[in-house]
Amino acid sequence: QKEVEQDPGPLSVPEGAIVSLNCTYSNSAFQYFMWYRQYSRKGPELLMYTYSSGNKEDGRFTAQVDKSSKYISLFIRDSQPSDSATYLCAIRQWYSGGYQKVTFGTGTKLQVIP
Amino acid sequence: EAGVAQSPRYKIIEKRQSVAFWCNPISGHATLYWYQQILGQGPKLLIQFQNNGVVDDSQLPKDRFSAERLKGVDSTLKIQPAKLEDSAVYLCASSLTDRGADSPLHFGNGTRLTVT
Repeated sequence: QKEVEQDPGPLSVPEGAIVSLNCTYSNSAFQYFMWYRQYSRKGPELLMYTYSSGNKEDGRFTAQVDKSSKYISLFIRDSQPSDSATYLCAIRQWYSGGYQKVTFGTGTKLQVIP
Repeated sequence: EAGVAQSPRYKIIEKRQSVAFWCNPISGHATLYWYQQILGQGPKLLIQFQNNGVVDDSQLPKDRFSAERLKGVDSTLKIQPAKLEDSAVYLCASSLTDRGADSPLHFGNGTRLTVT
């Protein structure tokens, strides 16, 4: 079983739709959850991070974590064509020496159609 | 703040040849990461440095891949000899530290390697 599972899509939605992107993880020791956005031929860029269960909102984006189900989600409201990208969930765990290890999901490719 | 710089952007080589990638992290970032991203997949960690020491290289194919970070700043990743399955984007990332909740990874735009 992979540490982080993510539906690769692609996901195609009309402009203005609400988008839901999801990941599941296997290790309950994971504490810090991130969403990265990756445009074509670019490196991933951090979108949001959270380390607690519940919701965290930033503009049109909401990150949701359910630690009891080991499930994380990213919601995009009023989706725009500029949101077309691959969205990667990422999870941090700690090495025994206190260093962080960041593991990524496979990414979900999103296309927002004008 | 200047971002993570990587070069070259693209490289095409034949199998069994060697290749090297260079990364310059954000100034002051102690931790440097090399990830491999195969088309349609998420980034996979190859090696992680804390200053110039290796924290994790468990997924680095050491028979053909090597990496160094001299003086705790720039880093190079080398492949020798390359195989067809090494075709991927090689991403370098850095973080201010690797402890604490506010140390996200900042990525460069990667080097796209094609092995023919």
